[in-house]
Amino acid sequence: SQTIHQWPATLVQPVGSPLSLECTVEGTSNPNLYWYRQAAGRGLQLLFYSVGIGQISSEVPQNLSASRPQDRQFILSSKKLLLSDSGFYLCAWSVPVLETQYFGPGTRLLVL
Amino acid sequence: SQQGEEDPQALSIQEGENATMNCSYKTSINNLQWYRQNSGRGLVHLILIRSNEREKHSGRLRVTLDTSKKSSSLLITASRAADTASYFCATVITGANSKLTFGKGITLSVRP
Repeated sequence: SQTIHQWPATLVQPVGSPLSLECTVEGTSNPNLYWYRQAAGRGLQLLFYSVGIGQISSEVPQNLSASRPQDRQFILSSKKLLLSDSGFYLCAWSVPVLETQYFGPGTRLLVL
Repeated sequence: SQQGEEDPQALSIQEGENATMNCSYKTSINNLQWYRQNSGRGLVHLILIRSNEREKHSGRLRVTLDTSKKSSSLLITASRAADTASYFCATVITGANSKLTFGKGITLSVRP
């Protein structure tokens, strides 16, 4: 069966520090991968999605970036965090063509 | 602006009652999906209805779709305390395959 992992679960970082959140998927090949951010009490905002290794589409211009160094690994990064980067970050995957997405447990990021 | 708008924003019912949640969207879609999110957790897919379908059932869930009104409803019958969660509708917009656009969500509280 397929499994999606995210780490860390919780992160407290100072403003201006770098960020690296990792997401890995097991049990499937060539998945579509997604990064979302969820602000408190709000819906999900799609940040990046990837349909293959090295293929990243950015949905919202900001100081975040994403990379897909391996087929089932998706990394969200920042060189310098802002206060506004605080939120709940969710990674998801889907089988290409099928549109149902499967979500990881999320990372709660607090930037102070 | 949000593609999907859920209504109401919050709903509180007694265990055993039915819960009806509505979603409206703005543009032509391929399909509409409903997800559930327990507090602090990732989202879980509940049900998908395609644009050429009008109604679908899954256990205690019933989803309807009216493409002429650009609206959908999710009915949970015989609610349980464990149904307490946030519920999101998400759409796959025509021509934007592989990407979901989420609403802000509905907070459902089921009182034991």
